[in-house]
Amino acid sequence: DADVTQTPRNRITKTGKRIMLECSQTKGHDRMYWYRQDPGLGLQLIYYSFDVKDINKGEISDGYSVSRQAQAKFSLSLESAIPNQTALYFCATSDSSGSYNEQFFGPGTRLTVL
Amino acid sequence: AQSVAQPEDQVNVAEGNPLTVKCTYSVSGNPYLFWYVQYPNRGLQFLLKYITGDNLVKGSYGFEAEFNKSQTSFHLKKPSALVSDSALYFCAVRDSGAGSYQLTFGKGTKLSVIP
Repeated sequence: DADVTQTPRNRITKTGKRIMLECSQTKGHDRMYWYRQDPGLGLQLIYYSFDVKDINKGEISDGYSVSRQAQAKFSLSLESAIPNQTALYFCATSDSSGSYNEQFFGPGTRLTVL
Repeated sequence: AQSVAQPEDQVNVAEGNPLTVKCTYSVSGNPYLFWYVQYPNRGLQFLLKYITGDNLVKGSYGFEAEFNKSQTSFHLKKPSALVSDSALYFCAVRDSGAGSYQLTFGKGTKLSVIP
């Protein structure tokens, strides 16, 4: 969905480095999410935010942190990257005023940790 | 807890033939069900959803899905497959209960349409 953008699209880094992945949206949605995708495992929720002051851990938050700088911006940080964090990372948004929590996804960031 | 199972890692179908991608779910309450498609190097795109009402839901690109409450299934279907339908398909479920927000995704099914 072009209304949800992620930067960078690809990143190669080394073990121990700090990495930030950024997500911006122009959909006006209040809820934002970070997922990681690993082959054969589907999508796993890392963190989610219902508004700027409401941030919550998902299924696999260890080793990650997030910041909701504004309603439209939600960044994911890896404080000290490790190789098993190599994955495809997706940001998603949804609108709490809609009843069904349909989520809209960004194009993804492919992260490789060497 | 809620869960989704996509029993087939890969589905192969000849172009022009009907296709089915299977999904079963488990939730404590009533389900909201979704199908997403992922093309190579792209994010997930929404295809269709079941919230309530008619068990047959029509979505984008000629896809449809049938909700079966007794079998707890939500299979994705298309009457005539196109080569361009080749992609990774994800089923997702959410409990309709108040306060519920989290989508649980299946592991995905790779669809290959053979010319």
